[in-house]
Amino acid sequence: EPEVTQTPSHQVTQMGQEVILRCVPISNHLYFYWYRQILGQKVEFLVSFYNNEISEKSEIFDDQFSVERPDGSNFTLKIRSTKLEDSAMYFCASSVSRVPIYGYTFGSGTRLTVV
Amino acid sequence: DAKTTQPPSMDCAEGRAANLPCNHSTISGNEYVYWYRQIHSQGPQYIIHGLKNNETNEMASLIITEDRKSSTLILPHATLRDTAVYYCIVRGLGQTGANNLFFGTGTRLTVIP
Repeated sequence: EPEVTQTPSHQVTQMGQEVILRCVPISNHLYFYWYRQILGQKVEFLVSFYNNEISEKSEIFDDQFSVERPDGSNFTLKIRSTKLEDSAMYFCASSVSRVPIYGYTFGSGTRLTVV
Repeated sequence: DAKTTQPPSMDCAEGRAANLPCNHSTISGNEYVYWYRQIHSQGPQYIIHGLKNNETNEMASLIITEDRKSSTLILPHATLRDTAVYYCIVRGLGQTGANNLFFGTGTRLTVIP
């Protein structure tokens, strides 16, 4: 069964450093998403991406965040200057359809720890 | 954005059917009901979705009441691996924010040996 692959599985970074989280969505999917989950809290939407541009973003997704699809297979989330409160699990997801009729496929996540 | 209400936790004996309820009394005509689950700290996993008819797939069945104000996810023969947090989500076509899923607190299902 096709999978969404995320790397690394765990990243530790110092406060103020830039981090890039990487995702390889399912090959025939056209819509890509990032969600995050702070330990013990809800899964929260960050951003959706289609046709090389952001289609929606949440209030969490401020100027410190950016997304990119640098080639035909990768989808990245960059945090420019990490803060302690950015520590969380970050999940990438992809879907065939613009609206979630068919369900999203999520990756297994990257645990980001900011120290 | 919470349009659904779920019990915070439930237990189910291994091998028995797990019935997870969800109330969505304000659901509108073009909104679907989706179920996802999250096992430990893994990524959420899509289970099933429906509009107004009952649905069944290899993982589960979804029963939606005729007035669509509530639904039940049924895992017919729960196993220990079904222990997870189950999320009921309502989302519609063409809505602002339709591209994203709102995860509430869900129901923590514990399957007991």
